[in-house]
Amino acid sequence: ILNVEQSPQSLHVQEGDSTNFTCSFPSSNFYALHWYRWETAKSPEALFVMTLNGDEKKKGRISATLNTKEGYSYLYIKGSQPEDSATYLCAFSDLGATNKLIFGTGTLLAVQP
Amino acid sequence: DAGVIQSPRHEVTEMGQEVTLRCKPISGHDYLFWYRQTMMRGLELLIYFNNNVPIDDSGMPEDRFSAKMPNASFSTLKIQPSEPRDSAVYFCASSPGDSKFYEQYFGPGTRLTVT
Repeated sequence: ILNVEQSPQSLHVQEGDSTNFTCSFPSSNFYALHWYRWETAKSPEALFVMTLNGDEKKKGRISATLNTKEGYSYLYIKGSQPEDSATYLCAFSDLGATNKLIFGTGTLLAVQP
Repeated sequence: DAGVIQSPRHEVTEMGQEVTLRCKPISGHDYLFWYRQTMMRGLELLIYFNNNVPIDDSGMPEDRFSAKMPNASFSTLKIQPSEPRDSAVYFCASSPGDSKFYEQYFGPGTRLTVT
């Protein structure tokens, strides 16, 4: 059974703090890694699609890195703002089922003004 | 584009009744996914279609669940008969291509309550 783990489960930071969280996934047969942002009462929205080892992607104050050999990805938020408060999900697919995304349970980020 | 459209947004039904959830993907997207979100299991894939053909239905819980995609602009997820444990939020998502290159676009979800 493929397992995607995210840590921490939740995080409370002050406005202006920088933060990061981890997504761990099986390192064998890697195909793709997705990050999604899920605000309360809305639906998940894509942040990044990552496929290459060593890949680094950035969108505004949010960036992500990927290590497929050891099976982890980091998501960084620089200078957190209250509007960054959301659950951040990662999802993994492998060569055996390339379009079947296995989602982690997410990291809930709360940014206090 | 209006994005992925799901209906109804909320459904309350009694145990044993048939429930049909509907989804209209984004025009031009070749992939359509049905997910279920629960507190216990998080977001889990039920089934996905590529060009209207079901590709992987290994996540469908049991025979009470069925999904169809009669054309590129419409899909249904049916539960018959429904049970209280089916209560969850059901999301439909679509994608323009393979997950190696394209993200998924999620609809607003249908919150199903089975009493």
